[in-house]
Amino acid sequence: QKEVEQDPGPLSVPEGAIVSLNCTYSNSAFQYFMWYRQYSRKGPELLMYTYSSGNKEDGRFTAQVDKSSKYISLFIRDSQPSDSATYLCAMSETGANSKLTFGKGITLSVRP
Amino acid sequence: KAGVTQTPRYLIKTRGQQVTLSCSPISGHRSVSWYQQTPGQGLQFLFEYFSETQRNKGNFPGRFSGRQFSNSRSEMNVSTLELGDSALYLCASSLTSGGTRPDTQYFGPGTRLTVL
Repeated sequence: QKEVEQDPGPLSVPEGAIVSLNCTYSNSAFQYFMWYRQYSRKGPELLMYTYSSGNKEDGRFTAQVDKSSKYISLFIRDSQPSDSATYLCAMSETGANSKLTFGKGITLSVRP
Repeated sequence: KAGVTQTPRYLIKTRGQQVTLSCSPISGHRSVSWYQQTPGQGLQFLFEYFSETQRNKGNFPGRFSGRQFSNSRSEMNVSTLELGDSALYLCASSLTSGGTRPDTQYFGPGTRLTVL
């Protein structure tokens, strides 16, 4: 079993839809949870960064972490064609400096 | 501020050869991490360098090595290339390394390596 599992997709939604992306993990030591967005031919860019359980909102994006279930989610409201990209969840342990463990990513396509 | 730069962007090699990839971090960033991205395995951590020292290492064979220079620039080397080494190699830099809260990692565009 991989440490981080992410729905493989791909996912296609109409413009304006609410998108829900999810990851599960098995390592209880993970304390920091991130969502990265990667456009074609680009490196990943950080979207959201949360510590431990709870919600965090930034514009149209909301990140949720449920440590008891080892489950994290990213919600995108009012999705736009410009949101079409690959979304990767990533996690790290406290004090484990820069090692990030990623999900395999899900490709999202938002249809105009 | 300029972002993370990686050279070359594309590379084609044959089995058995070796290759060196280069990464220049964001100015002032002292930590450089390397990742391998493939369709089958996704993004996997290779190693991290801070102040010219390897701080962390992933589960890759010894054919994969790296180093960091005093100006924080980093190189990654893969010896005796195999077909399975074909991948996008990403470099990420962050301000510091260690402590209780990981710093944000900023990724470069990657080097696309094809092994024939």
